[in-house]
Amino acid sequence: ELKVEQNPLFLSMQEGKNYTIYCNYSTTSDRLYWYRQDPGKSLESLFVLLSNGAVKQEGRLMASLDTKARLSTLHITAAVHDLSATYFCAVKEETSGSRLTFGEGTQLTVNP
Amino acid sequence: DADVTQTPRNRITKTGKRIMLECSQTKGHDRMYWYRQDPGLGLRLIYYSFDVKDINKGEISDGYSVSRQAQAKFSLSLESAIPNQTALYFCATSRGWNSPLHFGNGTRLTVT
Repeated sequence: ELKVEQNPLFLSMQEGKNYTIYCNYSTTSDRLYWYRQDPGKSLESLFVLLSNGAVKQEGRLMASLDTKARLSTLHITAAVHDLSATYFCAVKEETSGSRLTFGEGTQLTVNP
Repeated sequence: DADVTQTPRNRITKTGKRIMLECSQTKGHDRMYWYRQDPGLGLRLIYYSFDVKDINKGEISDGYSVSRQAQAKFSLSLESAIPNQTALYFCATSRGWNSPLHFGNGTRLTVT
């Protein structure tokens, strides 16, 4: 059974600081997704990582995938308040067809 | 208008009642999904469908059933609601194998 673990689960940081959210998973996969959820809202796709070594960047967020380590990171550079949200990683197990397994989510609060 | 529309947005029902949550999409995607979100547990897959004639169980299908009435419509039923089915329910669609999920705005269900 695929397990996906994120850490930290809660992150409070100051504007202007850098930080990294980690997503570890337990079985072989080369497809990993990051989503953002604002309070009371739906989930929005941020990044799709489809191969080992994949790196994607959008604004102050950068995501990477290391399939050998079964690890993805979401790096936040010079955080701003608008980045406050819950971030989920989701992993597609190689043998599960289209099924995605989600991590528990990391609730990020960026303080002025 | 939203590409993935869920109705109702909120529902309160009593234990033992049958209820249906509906999802329709205008994205033209073949693949549709129902997820459940509980605090601290991320999202868990209930059922998914790759086309009108295809229905698959997810990791937590017990107590739920689905119907894919058309390419654009995918409904979720609780035959006899119980309090631990209180949760936020999301419908999602995707275009293909590696594509990210596109989520509806969610239905908040409370079973008393």
